[in-house]
Amino acid sequence: AQRVTQPEKLLSVFKGAPVELKCNYSYSGSPELFWYVQYSRQRLQLLLRHISRESIKGFTADLNKGETSFHLKKPFAQEEDSAMYYCALSAANRDDKIIFGKGTRLHILP
Amino acid sequence: ETGVTQSPTHLIKTRGQQVTLRCSSQSGHNTVSWYQQALGQGPQFIFQYYREEENGRGNFPPRFSGLQFPNYSSELNVNALELDDSALYLCASSGRDKGTDTQYFGPGTRLTVL
Repeated sequence: AQRVTQPEKLLSVFKGAPVELKCNYSYSGSPELFWYVQYSRQRLQLLLRHISRESIKGFTADLNKGETSFHLKKPFAQEEDSAMYYCALSAANRDDKIIFGKGTRLHILP
Repeated sequence: ETGVTQSPTHLIKTRGQQVTLRCSSQSGHNTVSWYQQALGQGPQFIFQYYREEENGRGNFPPRFSGLQFPNYSSELNVNALELDDSALYLCASSGRDKGTDTQYFGPGTRLTVL
C-alpha cells in the first residue's frame, strides 16, 4: 500500500534549537518525495523535493531508501518556521497524484 | 504570472444537494488536480485532468466528477452530498509540457454539508 506516515501531530521546539520532522513512507517502486508547508492563512506550497537536493529556508531532507524515511531537518529553528508541514510522495518522473501524510504542526517557542 | 484561484471561498449545502466548485489554473499550466482535505488530515487525491481528459482518479465514488475546459480551468462536481463530504477542496495546477511537474495549489473552497 502507498502510504506516508508522520508520527508527530505537533512538535514544539525552542527558537535556535534543531528541528527534525519525521516522515516514513511505504511505496512499491521509486517514489519522488516532497515536503509541503502551509503557513498561517497561506496556501499549501512546495518546500523542497528530494531530487533537487537543495536547502530551502535552511531546511534539508535526505531520502533514506533503506529506512524508507525522508525526515526534514533544520539546525536552528526560527519563529517564522511555525507552520503545518506535510510530507508527500508521488511516482517518480510523473506529474501524478500526490499522496500526503497527515501533517505535523511545528510550533517554535520564543 | 497569475496564481491558482478557486471559487467560491466558502459554501454551505444540505445533504442530498449537488455542488460545483471552480478552479482557474496558473497561467501556462495544462494539468489540474483536485484534492479533498478533511479536518486534521492531509489532502487526498480525487482526480487529475490533463488537456481536458481525466488522467487518474483516487478512491472516490462516481458522484465526484470533473471537467476541464479548453482554457484549462476546471470544475469539481459532487452529487448527492453527504455529511462526510464536508472538507476543504483544493485544486492544484502544473505544467507537464513545460517540463515541470511541480503542483501549485489554490487557496481552497471550504464546503460544509448540513
